[in-house]
Amino acid sequence: DTEVTQTPKHLVMGMTNKKSLKCEQHMGHRAMYWYKQKAKKPPELMFVYSYEKLSINESVPSRFSPECPNSSLLNLHLHALQPEDSALYLCASSQADGPGYTGELFFGEGSRLTVL
Amino acid sequence: DAKTTQPNSMESNEEEPVHLPCNHSTISGTDYIHWYRQLPSQGPEYVIHGLTSNVNNRMASLAIAEDRKSSTLILHRATLRDAAVYYCILRDEGEGTNAGKSTFGDGTTLTVKP
Repeated sequence: DTEVTQTPKHLVMGMTNKKSLKCEQHMGHRAMYWYKQKAKKPPELMFVYSYEKLSINESVPSRFSPECPNSSLLNLHLHALQPEDSALYLCASSQADGPGYTGELFFGEGSRLTVL
Repeated sequence: DAKTTQPNSMESNEEEPVHLPCNHSTISGTDYIHWYRQLPSQGPEYVIHGLTSNVNNRMASLAIAEDRKSSTLILHRATLRDAAVYYCILRDEGEGTNAGKSTFGDGTTLTVKP
């Protein structure tokens, strides 16, 4: 199984809602990532988890809250978002080798978020 | 963070080779050069990666300059299914504070003409 599965594929939420994006992989990867992609732009790194611990936060606003409950799951909790947060949110995973990271990134198909 | 520079767009004829260039003059010693491609409404798909030596796989070849400040992705025979945005990425596979970071360039949109 070489898939990264993201749910939901589409999400529409109001600025006062609380919602979550979910990501799952069963490749035994110990590094997981959240990226944000605006239309016609490259993906931008948001968070990196290594061995279920947050290792990189690219100065992401606190209205985005990541969580890695176990080695196969990665969540992104959303609260009080703004319309400009509307984007495609991509999850990825890769092998980790101690404090380092190796090999290719496996991406999911993304969750398209619209904030009204 | 190290950056990559790619042409905005390129065109190719079907069944001809395509050479996609990427400049990464500020590459560090622990950065691997990765290439991914992305079709509309899909996540990026891995193509190939390397550190110093040229690499070949079933999808493509990667030619890396001796000083590592540039690289070229080579698709040997372009097909219509190869039309996509191609991203050249530097991925820090070391153990420092930037370990795990992957910096995407703006990408090259490849159009393949029949």
